[in-house]
Amino acid sequence: KNEVEQSPQNLTAQEGEFITINCSYSVGISALHWLQQHPGGGIVSLFMLSSGKKKHGRLIATINIQEKHSSLHITASHPRDSAVYICAVRRNYGGSQGNLIFGKGTKLSVKP
Amino acid sequence: GAGVSQSPRYKVTKRGQDVALRCDPISGHVSLYWYRQALGQGPEFLTYFNYEAQQDKSGLPNDRFSAERPEGSISTLTIQRTEQRDSAMYRCASSLFSLREGDNEQFFGPGTRLTVL
Repeated sequence: KNEVEQSPQNLTAQEGEFITINCSYSVGISALHWLQQHPGGGIVSLFMLSSGKKKHGRLIATINIQEKHSSLHITASHPRDSAVYICAVRRNYGGSQGNLIFGKGTKLSVKP
Repeated sequence: GAGVSQSPRYKVTKRGQDVALRCDPISGHVSLYWYRQALGQGPEFLTYFNYEAQQDKSGLPNDRFSAERPEGSISTLTIQRTEQRDSAMYRCASSLFSLREGDNEQFFGPGTRLTVL
C-alpha cells in the first residue's frame, strides 16, 4: 500500500462543476503539498499546508491531521483546469527535510 | 528573476553511456532537490542539497547515480553506465531555506526527459 493515496485516479467534469480530489496518507507529516502538472509536463506548487484550510482564487485546500486526509476543491471548473493534480507529504519522523512522498496523481479533464 | 531551469530538456543516449543533467535553481534558493518521474507516476525523491552540502541521498537508486552542487548553486546529476530502466523524466526543484521547523514551497524545473536506448 502506498503511503500517499489519491482518489479518484481519473476525473472528467463538465465546465462549471465543483470538483473534489482526495488525498489520504498513512505517515506522520509536517506538511502537505498540492501540485499541478500541466499537460506540457511543468509542475506548479498550488498549496502547502499543515493545518486547516487555504484558498487561492477558485482553489481551496483543506487538511484534517487527525484523519490524515486532505482535499483539493475547484469551484466553477474550467477547461484550463485540466491537468494532473499531485498530493505530496513531508514526513515528520524518520524522513529528511527534502524527502517528499508523492501520490500518483489525479488526472482531471474538464469538458466545455 | 527566472524560474528553475534544466538542461538538456531531452536526452537520448545509448545503454552504457554516462549522462550529466544540469539544474540551475532560482537565485537565492538554498535548497535544491532532484526527483525522478516515470510515465504516469508521481515524482520520486532522489537527493537534496542545502548550499553545497548533500543532505540526503537515500533516494538514489544505486551507485551509478551521483549528484553534486560544488558552489551551492548549479547542480549536476550524473548517471553512469546508463540502463534502459533509467529512462524517465528527471526533475529539479529549489526552495528557500529556513532554520525554523516546517517546510518550504518548492519550485520545479521543466525536467529533462532521458531516453536510454
